[in-house]
Amino acid sequence: AQSVTQLGSHVSVSEGALVLLRCNYSSSVPPYLFWYVQYPNQGLQLLLKYTSAATLVKGINGFEAEFKKSETSFHLTKPSAHMSDAAEYFCAVSDPGDYKLSFGAGTTVTVRA
Amino acid sequence: DADVTQTPRNRITKTGKRIMLECSQTKGHDRMYWYRQDPGLGLRLIYYSFDVKDINKGEISDGYSVSRQAQAKFSLSLESAIPNQTALYFCATSDLYYNEQFFGPGTRLTVL
Repeated sequence: AQSVTQLGSHVSVSEGALVLLRCNYSSSVPPYLFWYVQYPNQGLQLLLKYTSAATLVKGINGFEAEFKKSETSFHLTKPSAHMSDAAEYFCAVSDPGDYKLSFGAGTTVTVRA
Repeated sequence: DADVTQTPRNRITKTGKRIMLECSQTKGHDRMYWYRQDPGLGLRLIYYSFDVKDINKGEISDGYSVSRQAQAKFSLSLESAIPNQTALYFCATSDLYYNEQFFGPGTRLTVL
């Protein structure tokens, strides 16, 4: 069964600084990996996904993530934070052919002016 | 128009009441899901359905039931609501290929 660990429940960054959100997974097979963002009072929106193509995945709003099989990681980065990036971010994993999406506990990002 | 809609968006109810949360989708997906979100716990799967005749329990189904009225409609019921069912509830749909899930805006339920 898959599981997801997001390191750090809260991350605070200055506007213009690097955003780094960490995600590690456990899976018995090469998984599909996702990052979702949740803005206040909204549902989850897909930022990006890894589905066994290129290991560096680019998403919306300037975010990207790199799949590292040796480290079982899928960390999310953005070179320069913007105030509008303040939100909660969820990493999720799914085994190919499986119905189930397992979510991490989430990381809340605050951006300081 | 939104692809996945949920009604109501907010609901306050009392212990013991029966509550139904509704979800509709226009994405044409066969798979639909109900999750609850609690602070610090992420999203946990309550029920999922692969088609109208295929409904399955998720990891936290106790105290909940569902109905798949049509490909586009999937309802979640709390037969007798209790305070620890106070949470944010999300409906989602997914495609068959990568299990990318598309979420509704959520229903905030408070049980007093």
